[in-house]
Amino acid sequence: AQKVTQAQTEISVVEKEDVTLDCVYETRDTTYYLFWYKQPPSGELVFLIRRNSFDEQNEISGRYSWNFQKSTSSFNFTITASQVVDSAVYFCALSDNSNYQLIWGAGTKLIIKP
Amino acid sequence: NAGVMQNPRHLVRRRGQEARLRCSPMKGHSHVYWYRQLPEEGLKFMVYLQKENIIDESGMPKERFSAEFPKEGPSILRIQQVVRGDSAAYFCASSPGRQGGYTFGSGTRLTVV
Repeated sequence: AQKVTQAQTEISVVEKEDVTLDCVYETRDTTYYLFWYKQPPSGELVFLIRRNSFDEQNEISGRYSWNFQKSTSSFNFTITASQVVDSAVYFCALSDNSNYQLIWGAGTKLIIKP
Repeated sequence: NAGVMQNPRHLVRRRGQEARLRCSPMKGHSHVYWYRQLPEEGLKFMVYLQKENIIDESGMPKERFSAEFPKEGPSILRIQQVVRGDSAAYFCASSPGRQGGYTFGSGTRLTVV
């Protein structure tokens, strides 16, 4: 069975600190996709990244970076120099080989204090 | 193109009434997916549709819930005889193909009173 675990329910940091959100997944498929979404207080879902299982290169996009490690089944997300606008719930998700059904973690609520 | 459009944004229904949630996919997208987000939880897959066809409804409750995506018009998620436990955010997503990336709508927040 597929599963996504985000063990951190809530994280609170002061602005400008770096913060890492953990994501651990389980799947038996050799081909799969991992996602991160942001859900700000307004409630919409904002796509951040999609990574396939064959691409283990780390990715950086501005202050955001992602560390994909198949050996530990983890796909962690780091925000550098956090800002108040980063405050949101962040979800990690996994899709199986069919690539249409997303399995979601429970989310991590990130609070950035000014 | 304004993206995936869901309406209404907020819907209040009394127990026993029907709720109809609408989703217009992005232009050129023929695949639609519905997810439900209960309070303080991640999203759960409900159903996957293509035009006039239900491809996968493995996440749909067996009773009271139905979905359609007609040849013309938006996709509709219909909940009959709503109960308090149906209160949730319902998200729709669309993609150009089965392997394509999702685009989510802003969701419909259903409150059953």
